Amino acid sequence: QQQVKQSPQSLIVQKGGISIINCAYENTAFDYFPWYQQFPGKGPALLIAIRPDVSEKKEGRFTISFNKSAKQFSLHIMDSQPGDSATYFCAASMRGDDKIIFGKGTRLHILP
Amino acid sequence: SQTIHQWPATLVQPVGSPLSLECTVEGTSNPNLYWYRQAAGRGLQLLFYSVGIGQISSEVPQNLSASRPQDRQFILSSKKLLLSDSGFYLCAWLRPAGFSMGYTFGSGTRLTVV
Repeated sequence: QQQVKQSPQSLIVQKGGISIINCAYENTAFDYFPWYQQFPGKGPALLIAIRPDVSEKKEGRFTISFNKSAKQFSLHIMDSQPGDSATYFCAASMRGDDKIIFGKGTRLHILP
Repeated sequence: SQTIHQWPATLVQPVGSPLSLECTVEGTSNPNLYWYRQAAGRGLQLLFYSVGIGQISSEVPQNLSASRPQDRQFILSSKKLLLSDSGFYLCAWLRPAGFSMGYTFGSGTRLTVV
């Protein structure tokens, strides 16, 4: 019940296309859902996050869509660029917990 | 501003040798601190976390140990490294609750055990 399931494991998208990464969770006590972006040889960095009281959050070309009833959330990258090529992790946590639960990651490659 | 420092950046160690990786945080007090390991092309595995000086929680029984001798210092150690200890080690601290809550990761240590 503590798991966050992420798919796909890897993704190839043409430059200018839309990249979509999906995550699902079981624990309805989760109330914070961040996405992290990791470039090779670097630590992950917080990209965007959402709480379940909204269905969508947009920051530039990055959008989180959240479906509370389905217990699913996804990251959409519009107009994908080669510089977006990285590994993306979805995550979840709950108030009062000391840990964030990560998905297994998606390796995204944007073709130039 | 808060920063997290992790060193060394890369390390090559022989099997059976000891290990000490250090992580320090600046600009905050009483942070929650975490050690993660990432195998090549794999996800993030939580190894240890600490909510205060001397308080260590172990997530995975293994060849490693952690210590928190000071408020903003977190150390990952091993007495005898195994080949399977190779990986990318990441230290992180948890920002306080609020909408921007989340981890800030260090730049990582690439450990190769030979």
